[in-house]
Amino acid sequence: DAGITQSPRHKVTETGTPVTLRCHQTENHRYMYWYRQDPGHGLRLIHYSYGVKDTDKGEVSDGYSVSRSKTEDFLLTLESATSSQTSVYFCAISDWTGEHYGYTFGSGTRLTVV
Amino acid sequence: GQQVMQIPQYQHVQEGEDFTTYCNSSTTLSNIQWYKQRPGGHPVFLIQLVKSGEVKKQKRLTFQFGEAKKNSSLHITATQTTDVGTYFCAGPQGGSEKLVFGKGTKLTVNP
Repeated sequence: DAGITQSPRHKVTETGTPVTLRCHQTENHRYMYWYRQDPGHGLRLIHYSYGVKDTDKGEVSDGYSVSRSKTEDFLLTLESATSSQTSVYFCAISDWTGEHYGYTFGSGTRLTVV
Repeated sequence: GQQVMQIPQYQHVQEGEDFTTYCNSSTTLSNIQWYKQRPGGHPVFLIQLVKSGEVKKQKRLTFQFGEAKKNSSLHITATQTTDVGTYFCAGPQGGSEKLVFGKGTKLTVNP
């Protein structure tokens, strides 16, 4: 969807190096999420944000950190990449106001750790 | 923690056959959402169901929310090759904005 972009789209990195993935939105949505998708595991929440500088952990947060200094940007950092972090990473946004609306996902980042 | 389970994990059909995927939650849900992910693509929101027993239709797709608001189904009538992809259900975790996704049902259609 045009309102959310992820960069890079593909990345190959070496074990032990730090990696930062970027999610940028133009929808002014309050909530942003990082998910990883692996075969047999579906979509698993890594971290999410409910506002600028307000973030919290998801179910698979170990080895990841996030930052949100502006409404439009949500960064996911792998502090020291490991092969188990090879995955497809999706960012999503929502405008939850007590009632649910569907998430809008970015196109994803395919990360390979060698 | 809350779990959302989907069956089957895979389904292969001949074009023109019907397809159904089922979703079950370990807890009562305030709503349930369905997403479709085409091969190589990203999940795309299809629909949200809120009311107990609700049924919604989108062309050949029929979505149902169970009376107890713990299960849901997606039925596709007369599948086409454009229906290929993985279908996910998702429900909110507690009363929060976070969604818990099922592992999805991967549909392949033989022309």
